[in-house]
Amino acid sequence: AQSVSQHNHHVILSEAASLELGCNYSYGGTVNLFWYVQYPGQHLQLLLKYFSGDPLVKGIKGFEAEFIKSKFSFNLRKPSVQWSDTAEYFCAVNQVGAGSYQLTFGKGTKLSVIP
Amino acid sequence: NAGVTQTPKFRVLKTGQSMTLLCAQDMNHEYMYWYRQDPGMGLRLIHYSVGEGTTAKGEVPDGYNVSRLKKQNFLLGLESAAPSQTSVYFCASSYSRTVNTGELFFGEGSRLTVL
Repeated sequence: AQSVSQHNHHVILSEAASLELGCNYSYGGTVNLFWYVQYPGQHLQLLLKYFSGDPLVKGIKGFEAEFIKSKFSFNLRKPSVQWSDTAEYFCAVNQVGAGSYQLTFGKGTKLSVIP
Repeated sequence: NAGVTQTPKFRVLKTGQSMTLLCAQDMNHEYMYWYRQDPGMGLRLIHYSVGEGTTAKGEVPDGYNVSRLKKQNFLLGLESAAPSQTSVYFCASSYSRTVNTGELFFGEGSRLTVL
């Protein structure tokens, strides 16, 4: 079974600092990759997604992520964080192929941005 | 469009009581899912459905039952609630088999406390 690892449980940054959240997955086949964000008290929302093509994908609110197939990684980045980015971030992977109906989620990384 | 709607949003139960969570989606999605979210555990799949009349077990199905009698609805039942089932429950849906990108659309969550 595939698994998704997020290396940081809790990240604390000051406003304007740069952000990189790590995500690695275990499945060796073709995958779709996602980052979801959950703001305090809210449901999960899609931040960005990768299906194919350019491995550098841009999402909402200035976030981007890079798919590095050789490293099984899909790290999330933002050049300059804001207080409003305080949230929990989840990486998720979907195996492409027959019967692959499920997303497997990482355990999440909580980001706290200090004004 | 309302998207994915969950009811109730909050519920407190005593051990041994039963209850049903209702999820409704208006996007004509084939797939529907129930996840539970616990601190430090991320999202774990309880049960899912790939179409009307079908259900399947996810990662943590014990103590739960589900039904998908109508395409737009997915019910999660707890027959005899236990304190270990205290959690936030999220319903999600996704596209049809012909456009299986794996992207999930989430409801706002249902917070259940079992005393």
